[in-house]
Amino acid sequence: NAGVMQNPRHLVRRRGQEARLRCSPMKGHSHVYWYRQLPEEGLKFMVYLQKENIIDESGMPKERFSAEFPKEGPSILRIQQVVRGDSAAYFCASSRREAPNSGELFFGEGSRLTVL
Amino acid sequence: GENVEQHPSTLSVQEGDSAVIKCTYSDSASNYFPWYKQELGKRPQLIIDIRSNVGEKKDQRIAVTLNKTAKHFSLHITETQPEDSAVYFCAAANTGTASKLTFGTGTRLQVTL
Repeated sequence: NAGVMQNPRHLVRRRGQEARLRCSPMKGHSHVYWYRQLPEEGLKFMVYLQKENIIDESGMPKERFSAEFPKEGPSILRIQQVVRGDSAAYFCASSRREAPNSGELFFGEGSRLTVL
Repeated sequence: GENVEQHPSTLSVQEGDSAVIKCTYSDSASNYFPWYKQELGKRPQLIIDIRSNVGEKKDQRIAVTLNKTAKHFSLHITETQPEDSAVYFCAAANTGTASKLTFGTGTRLQVTL
């Protein structure tokens, strides 16, 4: 059973460009969470999604950031018009049922975004 | 919302000694407290968790204690080994709501020979 798959692992963008980060949850998992980790800092919650629904986006900036988890395909975190402050590692996690009520959160290896 | 504080931010111990990391949380409704280990450049991995209906849980060299009244929980690692060197994160969540984990700021543990 493959783990949570994220791609790309590393992404370099210039200021003003768009970044798209993808996350395929573990097989059988229908809940996806996105976290952001700045260098030398902790994990900050961004958004929680189920298939075709955003459950909680309280941690996601209102502008430039969006997330989706379509019926088919991976979850996508999209950052428009990137700025240097967006440089961070973005981790996706998935769970079988609503986490953490019944199971642990499984993290992907992260996507490291560098904005030049 | 929930706020989790974690101390110390860095911890250096000699191999074989014990390490203790402490966390406090603010939301009395939180009832799930996992600990994650993150090695450099790697993903966070769950090492142990505790729910509010127990006060202590142990798994080999790792134990976690929970004091609901004081709203704090601790990670204890005994007989530390060099491979224990990593960043450790505590987290808290209320499983009765649309659940998301709120993480502490992390503790960088260095086990020296």
